[in-house]
Amino acid sequence: EPEVTQTPSHQVTQMGQEVILRCVPISNHLYFYWYRQILGQKVEFLVSFYNNEISEKSEIFDDQFSVERPDGSNFTLKIRSTKLEDSAMYFCASREGRDTEAFFGQGTRLTVV
Amino acid sequence: GDSVTQMEGPVTLSEEAFLTINCTYTATGYPSLFWYVQYPGEGLQLLLKATKADDKGSNKGFEATYRKETTSFHLEKGSVQVSDSAVYFCALSELEYGNKLVFGAGTILRVKS
Repeated sequence: EPEVTQTPSHQVTQMGQEVILRCVPISNHLYFYWYRQILGQKVEFLVSFYNNEISEKSEIFDDQFSVERPDGSNFTLKIRSTKLEDSAMYFCASREGRDTEAFFGQGTRLTVV
Repeated sequence: GDSVTQMEGPVTLSEEAFLTINCTYTATGYPSLFWYVQYPGEGLQLLLKATKADDKGSNKGFEATYRKETTSFHLEKGSVQVSDSAVYFCALSELEYGNKLVFGAGTILRVKS
């Protein structure tokens, strides 16, 4: 069964460092998303991406964040200069059409120290 | 903005007990409603959904009915199993607002044998 895969499963980084979280969406999907969950809090929407551009972003998604689909299969989230409060579980999701089911990856746990 | 409120956990039940996890929502328009489940070490999986008032979503013995009058979408199961132990997330999305998912905080369910 097709699935969304995320790497790494856990990343530890020092404050101020850049991190790139990677996702491989399901191959025929067109809509891509990043969500995050700070420990003990809600899963929050970060950004949606369609047709090679951001279609919507939340207020969390500030200038420190960027997304890219560099090669038609990967979908990456970059945090330029990590802060302690960026520590969270980051989920990638994809869907085939705008109103079809969203499939999620297992998440990347980011720990900023 | 849109929001989802679900009962706090953890919920601890004995095998074969009846399960209810409450979920209420606030939305601008007419959202679709979802329950997602996260098993240990895995990503978010769609458990069931309902797209309009009075629809009942069901899967794996779980049910939830879209109640517009009470803005609720409570999850129920008649007889839980140890394998149902997981985190359950209530969520909504509105197609007119980009169809991003808005999640509740999640409820941990622990089922003891």
